[in-house]
Amino acid sequence: EVQLVESGGGLVQPGGSLRLSCAASGFTFSNYGMNWVRQAPGKGLEWVSYISSTSSTLEYADSVKGRFTISRDNARNSLYLQMNSLRAGDTAVYHCVTGGATRPGYWGQGTLVTISS
Amino acid sequence: DIVMTQTPLSSPVTLGQPASISCRSSQSLVYSDGNTYLSWLQRRPGQPPRLLIYKISNRFSGVPDRFSGSGAGTDFTLKISRVEAEDVGVYYCMQAAQFPWTFGQGTKVEIK
Repeated sequence: EVQLVESGGGLVQPGGSLRLSCAASGFTFSNYGMNWVRQAPGKGLEWVSYISSTSSTLEYADSVKGRFTISRDNARNSLYLQMNSLRAGDTAVYHCVTGGATRPGYWGQGTLVTISS
Repeated sequence: DIVMTQTPLSSPVTLGQPASISCRSSQSLVYSDGNTYLSWLQRRPGQPPRLLIYKISNRFSGVPDRFSGSGAGTDFTLKISRVEAEDVGVYYCMQAAQFPWTFGQGTKVEIK
C-alpha cells in the first residue's frame, strides 16, 4: 500500500522558516518524480514545486520561487520542502504528491502550515 | 499558465441519478510524449484529494467503474453514472501537461 506521510508543519511568524518532510513507502520512491501541492483555507489547489526522480530537474511556482527549495533523499525514501521568508499567503495544507505516468498519482494527508504573528 | 475552467461549480444530484462535470482548458494539454495529461480528482470532506481519472479516461487504482472521463482537445467531461452517498465532495480537473500544474475551481457535488 502506497503511503505518503507529511510532517513539519506548524505555526510560524512572517519571515520565518519551516522544513516539511514527506516519508514515502509502498512503492519504489526513487523511480518517481514528486511534487508539493498546497490548499489554503477556503481556496483551491495550488501546485508548488516538482523534483525529478534523480533531482536533476526542479520546478517552482512563481509564488514561491527564490523562497522555497525542494529536495529528496532516495536512500531514505523522503521528500523535503525548505520554506524561507514565509508570508501569510503561504498558510495552507501542504500535500506531497507522486508524479509518474499517471501524474498526479497518490496524495498524502497533508501538513498544516500557518503563518501568523 | 494554462487556465482550467469547470462548470457547474455546484451540482445537487439525486441518489442513483447521473452527474456530469465539464472542464475546459485554455490551451492544448497534449504533452511531447503524445499523451494528454488531464486528470480528475475527488476531495471528500476531511480527506486529501484522490486521483480518480488520469490521461482523460483512465480510472486510477480502486476507482469504481461508475466514474468515467472523456474528451479531447480542450474540452473534457467527468461522468458519474449513478451517484452514491460516498460521492459527495468537491471534484477538480487538473492539467499536468506543463508546469505549473493548474487546477479547476472545483465542483461541489451534494445530494438533493
